[in-house]
Amino acid sequence: GAGVSQSPSNKVTEKGKDVELRCDPISGHTALYWYRQRLGQGLEFLIYFQGNSAPDKSGLPSDRFSAERTGESVSTLTIQRTQQEDSAVYLCASSLQPAADEQFFGPGTRLTVL
Amino acid sequence: SQQGEEDPQALSIQEGENATMNCSYKTSINNLQWYRQNSGRGLVHLILIRSNEREKHSGRLRVTLDTSKKSSSLLITASRAADTASYFCATGPFSGGYNKLIFGAGTRLAVHP
Repeated sequence: GAGVSQSPSNKVTEKGKDVELRCDPISGHTALYWYRQRLGQGLEFLIYFQGNSAPDKSGLPSDRFSAERTGESVSTLTIQRTQQEDSAVYLCASSLQPAADEQFFGPGTRLTVL
Repeated sequence: SQQGEEDPQALSIQEGENATMNCSYKTSINNLQWYRQNSGRGLVHLILIRSNEREKHSGRLRVTLDTSKKSSSLLITASRAADTASYFCATGPFSGGYNKLIFGAGTRLAVHP
């Protein structure tokens, strides 16, 4: 596809369950970012990948959050033992190079924890 | 915590009017970008202004940057109903050579026909 894709588009889960969110970046983009957006707020940086390594995980809010990336392709964000405060839209972005000015965003996954 | 803050939080105007949104930030920057978000989902990059630039134009968009005041403004001229969206400023990149964008809380713009 031409753009960044994310799946699922919506996820409803029960408190305490684990969830996996997937991001497919634009082909050839080496840098990949995850952001979280709570209702009515701006985006919060979570983690940055360069290839399959994550030099900056400083935005992950707790050890319940983890992410991995396969080569310069798909990334998965995993939230274990979900809490209600994890409810948000999780957005993925990719860029051609790490210092590239423009990031291309996916449509996001809306996570609702009941 | 957020780097930037936008004001107003919400703006309601009629088609044809101009819309001005402001953004303030806290630390030194290399560049500042504006993004648009429809329906709370994916963001679209609008325009980037570098720290050594004061004004930039793109179509109906005009962005200004005042690094002494740590502020930027986005002007949309001759607004259209299709401009209804949330607009965010974001600053970056920071040290480390990658573009860890820090976003403000956004301005929700409503343009009425």
